[in-house]
Amino acid sequence: EDKVVQSPLSLVVHEGDTVTLNCSYEVTNFRSLLWYKQEKKAPTFLFMLTSSGIEKKSGRLSSILDKKELFSILNITATQTGDSAIYLCAVLRTNAGKSTFGDGTTLTVKP
Amino acid sequence: NAGVTQTPKFRILKIGQSMTLQCAQDMNHNYMYWYRQDPGMGLKLIYYSVGAGITDKGEVPNGYNVSRSTTEDFPLRLELAAPSQTSVYFCASSFSPDHSPLHFGNGTRLTVT
Repeated sequence: EDKVVQSPLSLVVHEGDTVTLNCSYEVTNFRSLLWYKQEKKAPTFLFMLTSSGIEKKSGRLSSILDKKELFSILNITATQTGDSAIYLCAVLRTNAGKSTFGDGTTLTVKP
Repeated sequence: NAGVTQTPKFRILKIGQSMTLQCAQDMNHNYMYWYRQDPGMGLKLIYYSVGAGITDKGEVPNGYNVSRSTTEDFPLRLELAAPSQTSVYFCASSFSPDHSPLHFGNGTRLTVT
């Protein structure tokens, strides 16, 4: 059975802090790992990672995958209150057609 | 640009009632999914479909049924609602999950009392 574990489950920081969110996984025939951000409603896509060691970056957010140690991290620098959300990690097996999600990390950024 | 549309947004059911959650997408995606999200938890897969006429169970299918008669629509049926089905339900679609992410609807918040 595929397993995705995110840590920490929740995190409270102040604006300007840098945060690192973790996602570890156990999955057969790994294809990709995806990060989503969920504010009030639907999750929205952040990154898709398929290769080890290649950093994906979008503004203040970045993510990297380690396929040997089976984990990924999502970094957010200079956090803002608008970064407050649930961050979800999901893994996909090759040709499985479906993703397995972790329980998410709830990030709260205080002014 | 409608994307994935879910109806209704909210619903309160009594124990034992039935209902259908509607989901439609206009992106011509073959892959469609139903997830439920309980408080403080991630998304659990209920059912999914890889194309019209093809459906399969996910992690938590008990108490639900689906059908996929067209590419656009993927309704989720709850028969004999139970309090354990109180949750937020998300429908999602994807062009090709190996290469592209999920597109989510805005969810249906269901309460069973």
